[in-house]
Amino acid sequence: EAQVTQNPRYLITVTGKKLTVTCSQNMNHEYMSWYRQDPGLGLRQIYYSMNVEVTDKGDVPEGYKVSRKEKRNFPLILESPSPNQTSLYFCASRAGTGTNSPLHFGNGTRLTVT
Amino acid sequence: LAKTTQPISMDSYEGQEVNITCSHNNIATNDYITWYQQFPSQGPRFIIQGYKTKVTNEVASLFIPADRKSSTLSLPRVSLSDTAVYYCLALRGGDSNYQLIWGAGTKLIIKP
Repeated sequence: EAQVTQNPRYLITVTGKKLTVTCSQNMNHEYMSWYRQDPGLGLRQIYYSMNVEVTDKGDVPEGYKVSRKEKRNFPLILESPSPNQTSLYFCASRAGTGTNSPLHFGNGTRLTVT
Repeated sequence: LAKTTQPISMDSYEGQEVNITCSHNNIATNDYITWYQQFPSQGPRFIIQGYKTKVTNEVASLFIPADRKSSTLSLPRVSLSDTAVYYCLALRGGDSNYQLIWGAGTKLIIKP
């Protein structure tokens, strides 16, 4: 089944403890992206990747890192999480780099930083 | 950037047809109108996309008038499971990361 898989689904951590949220897609998509969703603010893009070893900042990149060493994986790294990074995170991918191709989203990771 | 405007919420009843209108006055020539559906604690799911006139698939229809400044998502004979948030986006064709502005969407509540 074609899908975007994020892990973990839920994560509670403390301020400053490094964490990684994994994202994997099995559709051979070039483009991958991370979003965070907060009440009243909609979805905001954190980072995106047009292809392997090509990443760039989205709207809200501060406090996050990403890497794209292989096409299927696009992990999101929080080196020193803070409470304002408590949010619902979504990874997405799409075929090609044309923006009118539909995005496929994972089921989300709910992160709580205390 | 093409910003879209849609109602914050709508109510309807099972079996009815629901139309959600989206305004996109600044749409560019190569922008596509795309709708997503999101259930609580799930990622958005692509519903339908169009450029102009009418597009229909197994889930919905999308009507886009000639001036393309607005569009209407039509959900035929809705059921309780259609209760969700619906997002209208203008996506630019081409090889880029055209920044998507995801607004608050339209919260659709279907009543029995």
